Amino acid sequence: DAGITQSPRYKITETGRQVTLMCHQTWSHSYMFWYRQDLGHGLRLIYYSAAADITDKGEVPDGYVVSRSKTENFPLTLESATRSQTSVYFCASSFDRAPPLNTEAFFGQGTRLTVV
Amino acid sequence: AQSVTQLDSHVSVSEGTPVLLRCNYSSSYSPSLFWYVQHPNKGLQLLLKYTSAATLVKGINGFEAEFKKSETSFHLTKPSAHMSDAAEYFCVVTSNNNAGNMLTFGGGTRLMVKP
Repeated sequence: DAGITQSPRYKITETGRQVTLMCHQTWSHSYMFWYRQDLGHGLRLIYYSAAADITDKGEVPDGYVVSRSKTENFPLTLESATRSQTSVYFCASSFDRAPPLNTEAFFGQGTRLTVV
Repeated sequence: AQSVTQLDSHVSVSEGTPVLLRCNYSSSYSPSLFWYVQHPNKGLQLLLKYTSAATLVKGINGFEAEFKKSETSFHLTKPSAHMSDAAEYFCVVTSNNNAGNMLTFGGGTRLMVKP
């Protein structure tokens, strides 16, 4: 199916465990993003990637690791989950940066992660 | 640096009355601006976008927004609210700078529509 998909949609894990959230897009977009959504904070950028093998930190990167070995995949790993990482996580992708500026982002359906 | 301020965290209107969701932005570069909508337990859907063409932008479901550079605003409006418009709305700014296509979100406005 075309589009951007996240898996799993729901996940419950225990404190200290490693968790990986998957994100896959079929458009060959250069840019991919991970956000977390929390009440009172809106969406905050965790990490982003401008291309395969190029990643950079966003606003709240601590406790997270990303990789981008292939253009279409951008997994997010919580190395040792904490309760404060309970959140809804959204993956997004967008077109190459080129004039005219057209950086509409397409979002996945989200992953609801609960750390107990 | 860029930032977005959505001036109201909650807006309540009656069905059939106009909707106004306010957004102010700051950006060091020529910005692109977007409004996204999120229905309960759903992902984010693009409503409309401004990318330096016409300052009045029309989107889906009867929404529109006007880019006002002098006021650094991008308010979202709809002439007549429908019950299905109840959702959370996010104003988003991005700019073509060396940091890449960084999206910055406002805090969101929850729109409630009363019968």
